[in-house]
Amino acid sequence: AQSVTQPDIHITVSEGASLELRCNYSYGATPYLFWYVQSPGQGLQLLLKYFSGDTLVQGIKGFEAEFKRSQSSFNLRKPSVHWSDAAEYFCAVGAVGSGTYKYIFGTGTRLKVLA
Amino acid sequence: DGGITQSPKYLFRKEGQNVTLSCEQNLNHDAMYWYRQDPGQGLRLIYYSQIVNDFQKGDIAEGYSVSREKKESFPLTVTSAQKNPTAFYLCASIDRGFGNTIYFGEGSWLTVV
Repeated sequence: AQSVTQPDIHITVSEGASLELRCNYSYGATPYLFWYVQSPGQGLQLLLKYFSGDTLVQGIKGFEAEFKRSQSSFNLRKPSVHWSDAAEYFCAVGAVGSGTYKYIFGTGTRLKVLA
Repeated sequence: DGGITQSPKYLFRKEGQNVTLSCEQNLNHDAMYWYRQDPGQGLRLIYYSQIVNDFQKGDIAEGYSVSREKKESFPLTVTSAQKNPTAFYLCASIDRGFGNTIYFGEGSWLTVV
């Protein structure tokens, strides 16, 4: 069955430090992969996505993610975190089954940034 | 500006009442989805629609109903049969021309009082 795992429920980093949020997926083929960010009480905003090609993808707000097929991972990174990055981050897999596009979301990682 | 508009942002309902959440998009997307979000549980799919006048149940459709009479609109009704309706509800639409990317509205908070 298709699934997405975000092993870290909470992460705390200091402002200016680097960040890596983990995402592992289970899917039989190469999926579409996404990272979203959600501020409290708001909708989800797309940070970046991977469909094919270069396995290192750049997104908005200085984020990047790397697709590693051998590890079934799509980890999100940022070299220097800003206080405004505090939010919840969701990894998602998009897959086709029976002609329907289905999206499976991880349970999220809440990021706290220390001043 | 193109986007997905959900209304109302906050809604209070008495037990036993039905309530309808609005979702409108002007992105010309065919597919639209409704998700429910509870703390620590991520997003769960309620209903989705691939095209006008057609929709399918998601993983947690019991106690909910939808309609899709227009491409732009996909309202969700939370019925009195929904046992635990207090949650954050997210509407989304899919850009099939952009790698099937899913885009979200700002969400609606429903509280049963």
